[in-house]
Amino acid sequence: NTVMTQSPTSMFISVGDRVTMNCKASQNVGTNVDWYQQKTGQSPKLLIYGASNRYTGVPDRFTGSGSGTDFTLTISNMQAEDLAVYYCLQYNYNPLTFGSGTKLEIK
Amino acid sequence: EVQLVESGGGLVQPGRSMKLSCAASGFTFNNYDMAWVCQAPKKGLEWVATISYDGSSTYYRDSVKGRFTISRDNAKSTLYLQMDSLRSEDTATYYCARLEDYGYKRYFDYWGQGVMVTVSS
Repeated sequence: NTVMTQSPTSMFISVGDRVTMNCKASQNVGTNVDWYQQKTGQSPKLLIYGASNRYTGVPDRFTGSGSGTDFTLTISNMQAEDLAVYYCLQYNYNPLTFGSGTKLEIK
Repeated sequence: EVQLVESGGGLVQPGRSMKLSCAASGFTFNNYDMAWVCQAPKKGLEWVATISYDGSSTYYRDSVKGRFTISRDNAKSTLYLQMDSLRSEDTATYYCARLEDYGYKRYFDYWGQGVMVTVSS
């Protein structure tokens, strides 16, 4: 199975910060990676598909990049509403596999 | 408006069965592959199973193969997950999700609110 290793596990951030989180695949998954945001008590929401494509309605402060085995989600100018857990997902191979998540918390 | 509404969860004893349903509305159900994703309490997301738009193909994570069955009724716009031989480690919130294919890219663009399944004696 393709293991998706996310780092860091958690981050303490301030509003206005630039936030970068990473996802490393155990094998080449091309650009077949999505990013999801899950706020407490809510269902996940799609942010980025195909590694770098922002989904409809997602603010442009969210940017995805990467290919092969290394992927990054960047939030420029962090907002309070962005506090959540962020998951990467690879769909290049079955089984589909999620990373373990990066939790953003207020400093 | 796209809506996915799960039902059928609750408390079940180990070894017993439970069937989840996901009623879809607001889109042409039989045009989309669908999936179940679960989340154990305070844990991360795990893909469980996917079914093709016409039900002809199904895929499962190893830990549920032979125990869970994903199916769909396109006439009723409803997705199902039959869960047999349940184990305590199956305790989780189960989400149904729509799988969009767009230019060789795939993603879960709509999710239900989730339904809790607790396996305990």
